[in-house]
Amino acid sequence: QQQVKQSPQSLIVQKGGISIINCAYENTAFDYFPWYQQFPGKGPALLIAIRPDVSEKKEGRFTISFNKSAKQFSLHIMDSQPGDSATYFCAAGFPDGLNFGKGTSLLVTP
Amino acid sequence: DAGITQSPRHKVTETGTPVTLRCHQTENHRYMYWYRQDPGHGLRLIHYSYGVKDTDKGEVSDGYSVSRSKTEDFLLTLESATSSQTSVYFCAISDQATGLGEQYFGPGTRLTVT
Repeated sequence: QQQVKQSPQSLIVQKGGISIINCAYENTAFDYFPWYQQFPGKGPALLIAIRPDVSEKKEGRFTISFNKSAKQFSLHIMDSQPGDSATYFCAAGFPDGLNFGKGTSLLVTP
Repeated sequence: DAGITQSPRHKVTETGTPVTLRCHQTENHRYMYWYRQDPGHGLRLIHYSYGVKDTDKGEVSDGYSVSRSKTEDFLLTLESATSSQTSVYFCAISDQATGLGEQYFGPGTRLTVT
């Protein structure tokens, strides 16, 4: 059973636009929700993370929105840039055990 | 890559041969993890370690074993490699002491089993 469902699978956004990636999770006991960014040939890099006691966290152009009742969370990339083109993974679980979504390939066009 | 190295970075091996992948960290973090990444599957946990000689199974542990004799090294062994184990393998580390437990990933090992 897939613990974390991520959508869309791929996304094309124009430079300056907003990129939105969504995730849904099953287990209400999960208490840690990170997002990772991965460039081709590299390992995933932690981008931003949130705990369920807050509904939103912002770091620069990246924002996580968290809806505990709906068991959903999303990543918003404001003013998207071509350098943001990468694969993004959401995850949910506990610090010592994460379940990853299948990833979203983001392409930001000039 | 947060003081994490993986070796080898690339390996081609034949079905039925044993393979050992190494993860080395210089951060002195307590937790270490092995994941595999396959198209359409994201990252899946194979095994993890929460201290020297302390390991546990993850989601896809069949066909894999691990060992951790030192804090800095975590080995992943495929006793008899199969084509279904062709994948990119990532090691990750986590401190846990911060209370947030962020996981940091290494550069990966691309393994091809022919």
